[in-house]
Amino acid sequence: QSALTQPPSASGSPGQSVTISCTGTSSDVGGYNHVSWYQQHPGRAPKLMIYEVTERPSGVPDRFSGSKSGNTASLTVSGLQAEDEADYYCCSYAGSNTVFVFGSGTKVTVL
Amino acid sequence: EVQLVESGGGLVQPGGSLRLSCAASGFTFSSSHMHWVRQAPGKGLVWVSRIKSDVITTTYADSVKGRFTIFRDNAKNTLYLQMNSLRADDTAVYYCARDASFSLDYWGRGTLVTVSS
Repeated sequence: QSALTQPPSASGSPGQSVTISCTGTSSDVGGYNHVSWYQQHPGRAPKLMIYEVTERPSGVPDRFSGSKSGNTASLTVSGLQAEDEADYYCCSYAGSNTVFVFGSGTKVTVL
Repeated sequence: EVQLVESGGGLVQPGGSLRLSCAASGFTFSSSHMHWVRQAPGKGLVWVSRIKSDVITTTYADSVKGRFTIFRDNAKNTLYLQMNSLRADDTAVYYCARDASFSLDYWGRGTLVTVSS
């Protein structure tokens, strides 16, 4: 199972929005509404930001939103803040034999 | 408060073995599916294995199938990963994580495994 494709980097100024894409196949992203997104600061454990494509866990700011079209999912961070600077990973359920496949990761820089 | 604490990492020679542990607290461990995810230095996250709450049902990534074994002790609230025939490309931080129906809602801080001679 190959990793989902994400752009290596994305950036924006404080207050702006940034959108990260996550492209898979009909066997993962396109086949299930089970896409999640994780934020990881350097040296820290990943943190769940979005699950089931669009849902936010309690405590995650509503500046973070998710969507999906076909085989591509997206994470949008609106009103960028300095603390949003981190690596972001998408993840999709890929069936009972593979379970999960992660994206290649995107480093978000707040300019 | 949900807590997951990994231990057991260290330096091991190629071909060697290591057993990782993940002590869970703050939730009903026996009712939760659990996962191992790893991250090689400077690289991305890679799913490794899952064990369901029934203790029996396990799934592995192709890269570790036949070499790694995931198991759990619900009486001790502990998840394990037995790693045999270790290779240099198994070098990574290994995280345990709780399953939240198709996502991973809590993660430990990870334990570093280094495979080198």
